[in-house]
Amino acid sequence: AQTVTQSQPEMSVQEAETVTLSCTYDTSENNYYLFWYKQPPSRQMILVIRQEAYKQQNATENRFSVNFQKAAKSFSLKISDSQLGDTAMYFCAFEADSSYKLIFGSGTRLLVRP
Amino acid sequence: GAVVSQHPSRVICKSGTSVKIECRSLDFQATTMFWYRQFPKKSLMLMATSNEGSKATYEQGVEKDKFLINHASLTLSTLTVTSAHPEDSSFYICSARDLGEAYNEQFFGPGTRLTVL
Repeated sequence: AQTVTQSQPEMSVQEAETVTLSCTYDTSENNYYLFWYKQPPSRQMILVIRQEAYKQQNATENRFSVNFQKAAKSFSLKISDSQLGDTAMYFCAFEADSSYKLIFGSGTRLLVRP
Repeated sequence: GAVVSQHPSRVICKSGTSVKIECRSLDFQATTMFWYRQFPKKSLMLMATSNEGSKATYEQGVEKDKFLINHASLTLSTLTVTSAHPEDSSFYICSARDLGEAYNEQFFGPGTRLTVL
């Protein structure tokens, strides 16, 4: 069975600074996808970034980038130039290619301070 | 991006009544829809996977007779909470997969807050 662990329940960062959210996972699958989702106070789930496990290059989406360490089963999210609108819950998620089911971590609550 | 709607956004009901929640993919067809439950300040827990034209697949520990799922078309799935009780109060979220995408990304609805008195 797959598991996703987010060890930081809460994080805080000053506006315009950089913050890194941690995520580790456990799986015996070879083909899978990893995601970071944002859930703002509206509770709408928003896809921030995704990474295909077969790709060595780390995914990047504007201010958001990941550090994907496949051997270590680590998938951290770096947010650069943090903005007040980045305040939200962030969930790391795993999907096996054979399953199509998303398995979520427990989430990290990020507060961006003005 | 693809849009998924849920109706209603909020519902309050008396204990013992049944409540139906609709999940619609507005601008794409979805063979598969997923239903999640989220408790306050907690993560999303997958309840069931709903495939168009077939029976839903429930996760371990989810009562299929309590949470009835119907996926009658490629754009609509419904979750009915039968004989609701206060412990069923929660935030319910659906998601849908877009057949047209090369990678089948899940698109999430805005959620439904259920309060059972």
